[in-house]
Amino acid sequence: GQQVMQIPQYQHVQEGEDFTTYCNSSTTLSNIQWYKQRPGGHPVFLIQLVKSGEVKKQKRLTFQFGEAKKNSSLHITATQTTDVGTYFCAGPLDSSYKLIFGSGTRLLVRP
Amino acid sequence: DAGVIQSPRHEVTEMGQEVTLRCKPISGHNSLFWYRQTMMRGLELLIYFNNNVPIDDSGMPEDRFSAKMPNASFSTLKIQPSEPRDSAVYFCASSLGTFTDTQYFGPGTRLTVL
Repeated sequence: GQQVMQIPQYQHVQEGEDFTTYCNSSTTLSNIQWYKQRPGGHPVFLIQLVKSGEVKKQKRLTFQFGEAKKNSSLHITATQTTDVGTYFCAGPLDSSYKLIFGSGTRLLVRP
Repeated sequence: DAGVIQSPRHEVTEMGQEVTLRCKPISGHNSLFWYRQTMMRGLELLIYFNNNVPIDDSGMPEDRFSAKMPNASFSTLKIQPSEPRDSAVYFCASSLGTFTDTQYFGPGTRLTVL
């Protein structure tokens, strides 16, 4: 079946260092969404990418959708302690309303 | 809008008891999703509704789990009888309903079955 995989599972960085998480789908995606979940919180939508090769920025966060629309990445420049949390990518299952979530990358930031 | 509302926020019960989790989606949203999150299995979709109709319940673990959506503003997830392995955080989410739409999650219900 369709799978969405994320690496790494964990990343522990020093504040100020950069961070990247990668998302790979077994099938082509019509779009990909990114969510952030703070410790003890709930997933919160960050962004959606739709076009092949699309790049979007939100302050220190850069999101990219691969040319083949099967992979995506989230890059954080100069991490801050407020970036702590788990980052999930999610893609729709075929053409349904169902999102397949990746396993998430947990980011820890040392102050 | 108040966002997705879930109750209770925490539930502690004993094995064998019935548990009912409640969700109020964002007004105007046509799709509603129930997820379960555990350390071992991550975020799992249990069931989703579109226009109050269950579309896919393939993620429901077994017959002990049931979900209903009697109207556009309310849904329940029931576990009867509950077991310790059901301990998890249960999230409800809603979306406008097209497959490109983002999902808005509620704060979750942390369930502990002793």
